[in-house]
Amino acid sequence: EAQVTQNPRYLITVTGKKLTVTCSQNMNHEYMSWYRQDPGLGLRQIYYSMNVEVTDKGDVPEGYKVSRKEKRNFPLILESPSPNQTSLYFCASSRQGAGGYTFGSGTRLTVV
Amino acid sequence: EDQVTQSPEALRLQEGESSSLNCSYTVSGLRGLFWYRQDPGKGPEFLFTLYSAGEEKEKERLKATLTKKESFLHITAPKPEDSATYLCAVLDNNAGNMLTFGGGTRLMVKP
Repeated sequence: EAQVTQNPRYLITVTGKKLTVTCSQNMNHEYMSWYRQDPGLGLRQIYYSMNVEVTDKGDVPEGYKVSRKEKRNFPLILESPSPNQTSLYFCASSRQGAGGYTFGSGTRLTVV
Repeated sequence: EDQVTQSPEALRLQEGESSSLNCSYTVSGLRGLFWYRQDPGKGPEFLFTLYSAGEEKEKERLKATLTKKESFLHITAPKPEDSATYLCAVLDNNAGNMLTFGGGTRLMVKP
């Protein structure tokens, strides 16, 4: 089944403790992206990647890092999480130039 | 700066009562406009892509249309299972691969 898999689904952590949210897709898509979704602010893009070793900032990149060492994986790294990064995070992928992203099921992160 | 505005924010319909959702957008050059459906606690599910004014796409009870300034998602004879949040997003020629989303319309269809 074609899908984008994120882990974990739920995560509660403390301020400053580094964490990684994993994302993997099995569709051989070139584009991958991370979004956060907050009430009243909608979906906002954090980072995206057009292919292996090619990444770029989205709308709200501060406090986040990404890497794209393999085509199928695009982890999101929070080096020093803060409470304002409490949010619902989605990973998504698409074919080159298509724009019709397939989204993962989401990771609900709480930073206390 | 790209802007996407969806209206209404929430819409309650009786089963079978047809209606339309609006998505107004401002971009320097439209590469594509996308409609998604999102159920509570789940990721957005891709519905349609529209590329140029005058284009229409249909899927079951849903039909999406596009003009130079807005898109409509028409829902014909909705059923309770159509209840969800519907999101509109645009891809700008000058914004790399960054999708800009609207705030969504929360649709509730009562039996």
